[in-house]
Amino acid sequence: DAKTTQPTSMDCAEGRAANLPCNHSTISGNEYVYWYRQIHSQGPQYIIHGLKNNETNEMASLIITEDRKSSTLILPHATLRDTAVYYCIVSANSNSGYALNFGKGTSLLVTP
Amino acid sequence: DSGVTQTPKHLITATGQRVTLRCSPRSGDLSVYWYQQSLDQGLQFLIQYYNGEERAKGNILERFSAQQFPDLHSELNLSSLELGDSALYFCASSVAGTQTETQYFGPGTRLLVL
Repeated sequence: DAKTTQPTSMDCAEGRAANLPCNHSTISGNEYVYWYRQIHSQGPQYIIHGLKNNETNEMASLIITEDRKSSTLILPHATLRDTAVYYCIVSANSNSGYALNFGKGTSLLVTP
Repeated sequence: DSGVTQTPKHLITATGQRVTLRCSPRSGDLSVYWYQQSLDQGLQFLIQYYNGEERAKGNILERFSAQQFPDLHSELNLSSLELGDSALYFCASSVAGTQTETQYFGPGTRLLVL
């Protein structure tokens, strides 16, 4: 799977947009970009995924650059409950099937 | 609530012992994944099953084994436990285990080996 690079930590003020970047410069054409988050020690939670077009759902927006080498997850109005570790994952078939390679993620702290 | 259930929530045992962790996938999901999360290794994929058959293997130790039963629930067996096996163990499920599917995670089982 392509490797991803994310900042270790970020802060965001409550009510503001949180923009979480991810670099995946070795991504290949059939690999999707997934975002999951983990709040404290709960099970990871799916947020959004995309291939090359920008995507939006009730939780977030995903912006993928035209060359697909990077992406940004946008939480439009961050709340305290959005404090979590956010994982950017590039998924493709491998010896591990479609298992998710979580990496270290970005620890987002939303402050009042 | 993801719809994936895991039991027990907490497990405390001694080195050398054997434990079984249980997972029930979401209704309709045929594929089950097991992940281990320890402080030093992060979240790591262990093994995947699809409709009772092993589909993919990750960093699973030989002391660990798993199976998926005809009713689609899965069990992860950990034997000859060591202190380093202390971790959170998550089960996830998806419909068919393909690339574009969302994996839904259970709340995890916290294992402490003393």
